[in-house]
Amino acid sequence: DAGVTQSPTHLIKTRGQQVTLRCSPKSGHDTVSWYQQALGQGPQFIFQYYEEEERQRGNFPDRFSGHQFPNYSSELNVNALLLGDSALYLCASSLPGLAGGPPNTDTQYFGPGTRLTVL
Amino acid sequence: DAKTTQPPSMDCAEGRAANLPCNHSTISGNEYVYWYRQIHSQGPQYIIHGLKNNETNEMASLIITEDRKSSTLILPHATLRDTAVYYCIVRVAMSNYQLIWGAGTKLIIKP
Repeated sequence: DAGVTQSPTHLIKTRGQQVTLRCSPKSGHDTVSWYQQALGQGPQFIFQYYEEEERQRGNFPDRFSGHQFPNYSSELNVNALLLGDSALYLCASSLPGLAGGPPNTDTQYFGPGTRLTVL
Repeated sequence: DAKTTQPPSMDCAEGRAANLPCNHSTISGNEYVYWYRQIHSQGPQYIIHGLKNNETNEMASLIITEDRKSSTLILPHATLRDTAVYYCIVRVAMSNYQLIWGAGTKLIIKP
């Protein structure tokens, strides 16, 4: 059973560039969340995608955008990179946790992350 | 802001039980307690979660106090591979989708 996969593993960009990170969810999951983790801190929620729509968004600027494909995989795009965007970017997959659906089923499972360095 | 308080670090001898405390005094009635751990520079690993009853799985046990204001994660026989940062998170399952992370507890297992 394949877990959550992310690509690339590491990435180096310069300020002002754009980057795309990719995530494939765990088999059977259709919901994808993205988190940013700066060095020495806990992850911070960026947004969650379900049914190809952004379902909830954290406190991140519009430079951060995403997409979900019909096969449930997802991309995170960051434009106009800043030095402060250097971080570990984490993808988590889950079931959607819909009201009226199976209870207590929306636990998030994380991938290995993509380490982004902005120079 | 995170709704949980954890000690910044703990040590435990290999082979002994590691007991990691978490305070969540403002927890609401419909909020679950989740535990994740993160080994250096890897993605967080889900461990266990519970609402009000004690829970056990192949990785750990979760003990939640009767008033639900605190909980303890128990790793019954700690190994060196259990060295990691452990995060306690409270959230409403099936509703608020984001996980709000605190600083966690750095657990060091010593030989």
